[in-house]
Amino acid sequence: GAGVSQSPRYKVTKRGQDVALRCDPISGHVSLYWYRQALGQGPEFLTYFNYEAQQDKSGLPNDRFSAERPEGSISTLTIQRTEQRDSAMYRCASSLSGNTIYFGEGSWLTVV
Amino acid sequence: AQSVTQPDIHITVSEGASLELRCNYSYGATPYLFWYVQSPGQGLQLLLKYFSGDTLVQGIKGFEAEFKRSQSSFNLRKPSVHWSDAAEYFCAVGAGADSWGKLQFGAGTQVVVTP
Repeated sequence: GAGVSQSPRYKVTKRGQDVALRCDPISGHVSLYWYRQALGQGPEFLTYFNYEAQQDKSGLPNDRFSAERPEGSISTLTIQRTEQRDSAMYRCASSLSGNTIYFGEGSWLTVV
Repeated sequence: AQSVTQPDIHITVSEGASLELRCNYSYGATPYLFWYVQSPGQGLQLLLKYFSGDTLVQGIKGFEAEFKRSQSSFNLRKPSVHWSDAAEYFCAVGAGADSWGKLQFGAGTQVVVTP
């Protein structure tokens, strides 16, 4: 696609429910990144993939958070048993190679 | 551990006036530095980046930034702001060549442009 596409753009879920956020990177981009951005804060790194391999998941806050990219393209970030503190914008980014990453518009998650 | 500090949470500037946004970083090696802009309802857009070489970096939309190793700073400047520059600006430092996209962001500076 022309840009990084994320869905849903807005998600309201009840505490305790599982949510899945999807990222469709720019076509052909090798690397894919997930970030979380709380209100009033800068984005915070969660995890990244090269092709289908998860290279670094050091930013995932706890084991309720997981991500996959099974075919090296679309990625899903899953949050199990959501809590109110999970409310944030979740951003995806991708890069072909080199040193520029392109961000999507983000998915706003609100846990009530 | 690397860190990024943006001392100004909020800046108000008149249209046509100059703008400078401060960024200080802490990093053990040669830093890879970035400035991003976030407009309402938009994704993060890269304004400019510094890896090596000339310490004055030109970016898009008329922005520039200067890397000062002695001050651990990478301040963003624009000589004359336009109303469309109202946005939130983020400074970021990169982990290096093996993981370009693993960035540490500052908390951001909100810029308001008045007529």
